[in-house]
Amino acid sequence: EADIYQTPRYLVIGTGKKITLECSQTMGHDKMYWYQQDPGMELHLIHYSYGVNSTEKGDLSSESTVSRIRTEHFPLTLESARPSHTSQYLCASRKQGAGELFFGEGSRLTVL
Amino acid sequence: AQRVTQPEKLLSVFKGAPVELKCNYSYSGSPELFWYVQYSRQRLQLLLRHISRESIKGFTADLNKGETSFHLKKPFAQEEDSAMYYCALSPYGGSQGNLIFGKGTKLSVKP
Repeated sequence: EADIYQTPRYLVIGTGKKITLECSQTMGHDKMYWYQQDPGMELHLIHYSYGVNSTEKGDLSSESTVSRIRTEHFPLTLESARPSHTSQYLCASRKQGAGELFFGEGSRLTVL
Repeated sequence: AQRVTQPEKLLSVFKGAPVELKCNYSYSGSPELFWYVQYSRQRLQLLLRHISRESIKGFTADLNKGETSFHLKKPFAQEEDSAMYYCALSPYGGSQGNLIFGKGTKLSVKP
């Protein structure tokens, strides 16, 4: 079934650890996005990609990095997690030329 | 500058009452407007888009270019409508640029 998947759904780690949040979509979409969202709050775009080997920073500055080696895969990495990184991270994708965004279920990160 | 404004952070109504979630936008071109909804413990999902002119779950939204608004309305609110609602704008009719989201309105429908 065509969908967008995020793992892990929940992650609790200590300060200084390196983490990677995975995002994969099986919808054949070219454009992929990472948003940061505190519960019930606004969405902040932190990274986006319009295709393989294309990545851009979003509106909100983030210490995370992303890569797009394959069309379907858009992982987000934090080299050294800090408590300020505690948040929910939403991955999304959409088809080239289309307005609708499809979201994953989110990865809730807690850094102690 | 492109901007989406949702003036109400929280809207609380009783079941059966009409509800209107406000959305105003700032954009000089021809945007595509959306309403997204996030129910508790569920993913953010599209509710409706202005070009489809549909009624989804009893909700409608009309694009008013003169007032640059895209308010979401439902004549009789239900408890299951309680959720976070985000208005979003896609510049250039959706073919380019990234979606611009409002800050969201939390709708609470009381029994």
